[in-house]
Amino acid sequence: DSGVTQTPKHLITATGQRVTLRCSPRSGDLSVYWYQQSLDQGLQFLIQYYNGEERAKGNILERFSAQQFPDLHSELNLSSLELGDSALYFCASSASGLAGLAPYNEQFFGPGTRLTVL
Amino acid sequence: LAKTTQPISMDSYEGQEVNITCSHNNIATNDYITWYQQFPSQGPRFIIQGYKTKVTTEVASLFIPADRKSSTLSLPRVSLSDTAVYYCLVGGHKAAGNKLTFGGGTRVLVKP
Repeated sequence: DSGVTQTPKHLITATGQRVTLRCSPRSGDLSVYWYQQSLDQGLQFLIQYYNGEERAKGNILERFSAQQFPDLHSELNLSSLELGDSALYFCASSASGLAGLAPYNEQFFGPGTRLTVL
Repeated sequence: LAKTTQPISMDSYEGQEVNITCSHNNIATNDYITWYQQFPSQGPRFIIQGYKTKVTTEVASLFIPADRKSSTLSLPRVSLSDTAVYYCLVGGHKAAGNKLTFGGGTRVLVKP
């Protein structure tokens, strides 16, 4: 158990709909990252928040948005859903905002939310 | 932006050593190299991290040459439970907008 929680575990919805994915980071971690993993694909970095502020933006579509709240939990909002948005969405957290730039600042990944768009 | 390239898949047998190389030609000065392991339907899990030369832990070694344009994850004496996808990650340098780039992943299959 990484200490990162994600809800819901599974989500089935229709095209054109909007959904919200929720992530609670490990206790004490200030940074939250969102990734998308399509079937048999690698991890695509979407966005990172550090202590409530956006720190880095990856290949995130304009239909997607995220935020990190004062209690450090984060939400990823996906709107106008398309079939191609079906994927596993992972949230990760790290102690600081320096994942990859500093030693021992590893990311801890949650179990993921599996989104199916029909 | 640091782009990473890994082999798509590798097969091995129990008890053998598995070496996976990741190329990252555009790695920035401040970037660390991190490797993660992922089992089906689970989130990735940290294995090892390094900046240069060699790092060794209980479960793996990481070799990084002086030019840092590649890195090799070495898994000694693999077992069936090491069957997984292995990703290298190069850190998000400020010049690249802090973006984190995972390699495409290497699917390792350990056979009995």
